[in-house]
Parts: sequence; C-alpha cells; structure tokens
Amino acid sequence: NAGVMQNPRHLVRRRGQEARLRCSPMKGHSHVYWYRQLPEEGLKFMVYLQKENIIDESGMPKERFSAEFPKEGPSILRIQQVVRGDSAAYFCASSGGMNTEAFFGQGTRLTVV
Amino acid sequence: LAKTTQPISMDSYEGQEVNITCSHNNIATNDYITWYQQFPSQGPRFIIQGYKTKVTNEVASLFIPADRKSSTLSLPRVSLSDTAVYYCLVGEKNRGSTLGRLYFGRGTQLTVWP
Repeated sequence: NAGVMQNPRHLVRRRGQEARLRCSPMKGHSHVYWYRQLPEEGLKFMVYLQKENIIDESGMPKERFSAEFPKEGPSILRIQQVVRGDSAAYFCASSGGMNTEAFFGQGTRLTVV
Repeated sequence: LAKTTQPISMDSYEGQEVNITCSHNNIATNDYITWYQQFPSQGPRFIIQGYKTKVTNEVASLFIPADRKSSTLSLPRVSLSDTAVYYCLVGEKNRGSTLGRLYFGRGTQLTVWP
C-alpha cells in the first residue's frame, strides 16, 4: 500500500509561468489536504478537498491559486503566474475520513526564478 | 482553536532523554493533543496523541497534567536520527484536526549531537 505520492519532488518555474503540483492519496483515501511551508516556518493549511468537492479553502490565497480533486486521477494544486514569494514546499496529506489520521507526502519544492 | 507555544529549539546528546513541553492555556474540553515529527525534506509524521494523563507508544510518551494546559513529549534515549522538528497540535477532533485541517506552529527544532 503506497503512501501519499506527490510529483514532481522539485519544480523550477520562471516568474509568470504556471506551476501544477500533483498529489495521489493513499489507496482508499478520499480526503486530501494541501499545506504550504515557507522557509523557516511551520506548515500552513491551504485547502481541504474530497472527491470533486472543495470542503474548505480558507487558507488559499484569493488569486492565482486553485485546487481540484477530480473523480478520477490525482489532486492538482495549480498556481498561475508564479512569483518569487510562491517559492516554498507544498505538502499534500490524505485521510480516509475527517476524524482519521492524515498521512503526508514528501512534498513538492517549488522554486521560482 | 487553542494556540500552542513551544520552544523554538532544543539540543541534546545521544542516549539522553528529551522532554519537549508545549503550552496550550486555552485548550477546550473536546480538544486532543497531538504531536508530529518532521524530518528535513519530508512531510510531517504522526507520533502520538492524548487527551489526559499519560500515553505511551513504541516511539514516545506524552504526559498531560490534570489541568491540560500543557503537555510534554518525552523521547527516551534519543539518537542522531531523532534530529527533526516536533510540532504540538491541539484540535477539537481526534488526530488534532478540525474539519480536516491541522494547525501547525513553528515547532521545536531538536538537534541531537554525538
């Protein structure tokens, strides 16, 4: 039973480009959470999704960021027109339900140059 | 949500016991206390969770006094591989989550020296 898979592990984008981060939850998990970790800081919640639904996006920046978790395929965190301040580690976690343990992936490190 | 306060960093030597204390003065009746561990370049990993008194597993022990306004994560006989950031989380639901979200602070950077 593979863990939470995130790809790519490292992503370099020029300012103004789009970044697409993928997260495949653990088998049987239908709840996905995205977190962002800026250098020297703790993880900050961004968005909580279930299959085809956004449950809570209170941590998402109002512009340029979007997330989806389609019926088939991985969850995608999309950042349009990236800026240097978007450089961070983005972690995905999945769980089988709201009150069950969340397992984290190894993260995607986005560098904007 | 109850705010947590923990030391920014701690140092220890191999073989010693390490105790990391977390303050959560505004903890609510339904809140659980959960600790996560994060190694460099990896996602956080669940260590232990408790509600009151003492909880022990194969990795650590968690001590929670009667007033629950603080908790102490105890790591017995640490090794170099225990060098990591340790996060204390307090949440209304099981596993330290509320509506599926986990709230992480800065955590405590534990460095174990040979």
